[in-house]
Amino acid sequence: GDSVTQMEGPVTLSEEAFLTINCTYTATGYPSLFWYVQYPGEGLQLLLKATKADDKGSNKGFEATYRKETTSFHLEKGSVQVSDSAVYFCALKGYQKVTFGTGTKLQVIP
Amino acid sequence: EAGVVQSPRYKIIEKKQPVAFWCNPISGHNTLYWYRQNLGQGPELLIRYENEEAVDDSQLPKDRFSAERLKGVDSTLKIQPAELGDSAVYLCASSARLHEKETQYFGPGTRLLVL
Repeated sequence: GDSVTQMEGPVTLSEEAFLTINCTYTATGYPSLFWYVQYPGEGLQLLLKATKADDKGSNKGFEATYRKETTSFHLEKGSVQVSDSAVYFCALKGYQKVTFGTGTKLQVIP
Repeated sequence: EAGVVQSPRYKIIEKKQPVAFWCNPISGHNTLYWYRQNLGQGPELLIRYENEEAVDDSQLPKDRFSAERLKGVDSTLKIQPAELGDSAVYLCASSARLHEKETQYFGPGTRLLVL
């Protein structure tokens, strides 16, 4: 079945540092890929998405590229802020359902 | 455009009591999902509706959980009786239609604590 593997957290970075959160997947067919963010006490918010190979999703300075050859969708940001502290979930959506990774907690310190 | 609405936001009950959660999806969204998110984990699908039809309820513990979406709009998820292990956040999501390219939009969730 479909699965998503994320790097374990927590990831602790200083403000303005470069961020990478790794995500790899296994799936049949041609899934769409997503990154969701969950701030403390809140629900999941869509951060960005890519629907086909080589697409790049971007939002709020975050980027991720759909790499079919490496089955990856790594999240990157060039300069993180304290306000980016949250839990980030990688997810894939096939025809039947969405499968989530276990989440990666990011802590950004001033 | 209003997002997915859920209520209540928090619920504390004693074990063996019943509890119900309500969800109103984004207007016009035909597909509705209920997820359970345990602490430190990603959401796991409980049930998926296409209009008023439950098309995937394979992960729903049917001995104590039930759900309905009678008019194909809002939905209710019920647990009766609740157990300690049911403590989690229950998330509702919707998408315009059942297609791999469609984005799911999530509500804020209902945080359930069973004592």
